[in-house]
Order: sequence, then C-alpha cells, then structure tokens
Amino acid sequence: DQQVKQNSPSLSVQEGRISILNCDYTNSMFDYFLWYKKYPAEGPTFLISISSIKDKNEDGRFTVFLNKSAKHLSLHIVPSQPGDSAVYFCAASVDTGNQFYFGTGTSLTVIP
Amino acid sequence: ETGVTQSPTHLIKTRGQQVTLRCSSQSGHNTVSWYQQALGQGPQFIFQYYREEENGRGNFPPRFSGLQFPNYSSELNVNALELDDSALYLCASSRLGQPQHFGDGTRLSIL
Repeated sequence: DQQVKQNSPSLSVQEGRISILNCDYTNSMFDYFLWYKKYPAEGPTFLISISSIKDKNEDGRFTVFLNKSAKHLSLHIVPSQPGDSAVYFCAASVDTGNQFYFGTGTSLTVIP
Repeated sequence: ETGVTQSPTHLIKTRGQQVTLRCSSQSGHNTVSWYQQALGQGPQFIFQYYREEENGRGNFPPRFSGLQFPNYSSELNVNALELDDSALYLCASSRLGQPQHFGDGTRLSIL
C-alpha cells in the first residue's frame, strides 16, 4: 500500500527554468514532509522539509508547497541548474518522529 | 563532522544464509533507522532505534533484526536470506525529530 506517491517517474527541464516535482499522499495523519535528493551511488541527501502547520517553506532556490486539503505537496526549483539533475524523493511521517514513508522518486534532468 | 558510513558497500550471499550490515552514525545523532530500497522503488522503513531500544518497526518479518550500540553505531541482521531480500540497504541517523542523514548504502545481492 503506497501511502506516498510520485506519479511522474521523470522530468526534463531547461537550465534556468522552473522545475516542479509533485507528490501525493493518502494518509491524513501525516504532518511532516521532506524532500530528499539522490545522486547515483550515493545515499539520499536532505533538501527541505515542511510541517503541516505551514503551507510553504523556502530555502534558497528550493520551495516546498503543501496543500493539506488535496493531500499534495510540490517542490519548486528556481532557477534549475544542471547540478540539480538527480532523483528526488518525497517522504512523510506522523509527527517528526520515526517512520518515514517514501515515494518512488522522480528523476529530474536539467538540460544545459 | 563525520557523516553516516555503512559497510560493506557490496555483498553477495546465497539463499538461507545470514548477513550483518553495519552503520556508523553521524556524530551527535542518537537515532538510527534502516531502510530497504528495491530497484525502482523508494526506501521502505524497516525499523528505528533510539538510545539502543527499538522505536518503531515497518512491515518486515522478524528475521530482520537490529542493534544499536552505546556509541550509536548500529547493525542490521537478516536471517534465512531470500531472493527478494536483494536490495540497497540504507542507514540514516538523526537527532530524534530532526531530518535523517543517510549513508551511501550496502548493495546486497542474493543468489
């Protein structure tokens, strides 16, 4: 039972443009959400998080938006850079605590 | 600051064998979680340890077990290996309630 879904396996974007990665979840108890970035042969690297008391969190070029009523979150990268090419995972948990549920990932390619 | 390190990086076993994977947590982190990532999938939560006690478990059978040591390093043990256990095993450490920092994983292949 996939409680966190990333329905786009891949995305290609031109350098300098906006990348939008989407994530949907089914468990209304989730209240903490994270995005991770993964390069080949490396472990996932934490990018940005958001708790359910907010609907937006920004860190430099990365912004995460949360729509609780739609059970949907998105990651915006502006401007996109070739070094952003990686697999992006969204993850969710109940509280900030222990069990994180991950999506299947979206492979982003930024074209120079 | 030393990151999360896992050993070995690759391992080949046969069905029915037992395996132990190791993880050294990032300095200052008191929580460690283990994940299994099958090809084309996202990481799946196996269990978490906090201060040497299990602090949550995912949908994995009892033949998956773990330990956390006083220095916060950790082991994942898998008994009676099955072909479906072939995957990347990721360890992640954190302070409780903080984002998890992952190691680069151990690639386990079962023949």
